[in-house]
Amino acid sequence: AQSVSQHNHHVILSEAASLELGCNYSYGGTVNLFWYVQYPGQHLQLLLKYFSGDPLVKGIKGFEAEFIKSKFSFNLRKPSVQWSDTAEYFCAVNPATGTASKLTFGTGTRLQVTL
Amino acid sequence: EAGVTQSPTHLIKTRGQQATLRCSPISGHTSVYWYQQALGLGLQFLLWYDEGEERNRGNFPPRFSGRQFPNYSSELNVNALELEDSALYLCASSLGGASYGYTFGSGTRLTVV
Repeated sequence: AQSVSQHNHHVILSEAASLELGCNYSYGGTVNLFWYVQYPGQHLQLLLKYFSGDPLVKGIKGFEAEFIKSKFSFNLRKPSVQWSDTAEYFCAVNPATGTASKLTFGTGTRLQVTL
Repeated sequence: EAGVTQSPTHLIKTRGQQATLRCSPISGHTSVYWYQQALGLGLQFLLWYDEGEERNRGNFPPRFSGRQFPNYSSELNVNALELEDSALYLCASSLGGASYGYTFGSGTRLTVV
């Protein structure tokens, strides 16, 4: 079964700092990868997703993520964070083949951006 | 387009009771997923329904069950509630499978006292 690790549980950054949140997955086959965000009091929203092709994917609100197959990683980045980026971020993986079609999520990273 | 709707928003039950949570997917979506989001544990997969059938089940005891109706809406039932069942229960929908990601509802906050 696949699993997802997000090693940073709580990250505190000042506004304008650069962000990188780690995500590693364990699964031997081809995968689809996702980052979701949960702003305080709101529902989970899709930030970006990777299916195939260019390993650098761009999402909403200036976020991007890079898929490095050799490292089983899909780290989320943003060059300059804003206070409004304060939220919880979840990485998720789904096997690209097979019938057990569900997303497996990491435990999340809580990002706090200070002014 | 209406999003995924869940009801009720909050639910308070006593230990041993049963809880029923409801979910209406986005129009046209045939798959419904249920997750439990407990503090510090991320999203734990509970159940996946597609076209009225249970397709996959997570590592939860049988007292967690559900069904999907002909209009693709779904309900999650939790019997013999325990204190540790207190969590946010999230429903998500997709157009047949998870390959393109989900759209989530806002969740039902279940508190067991």
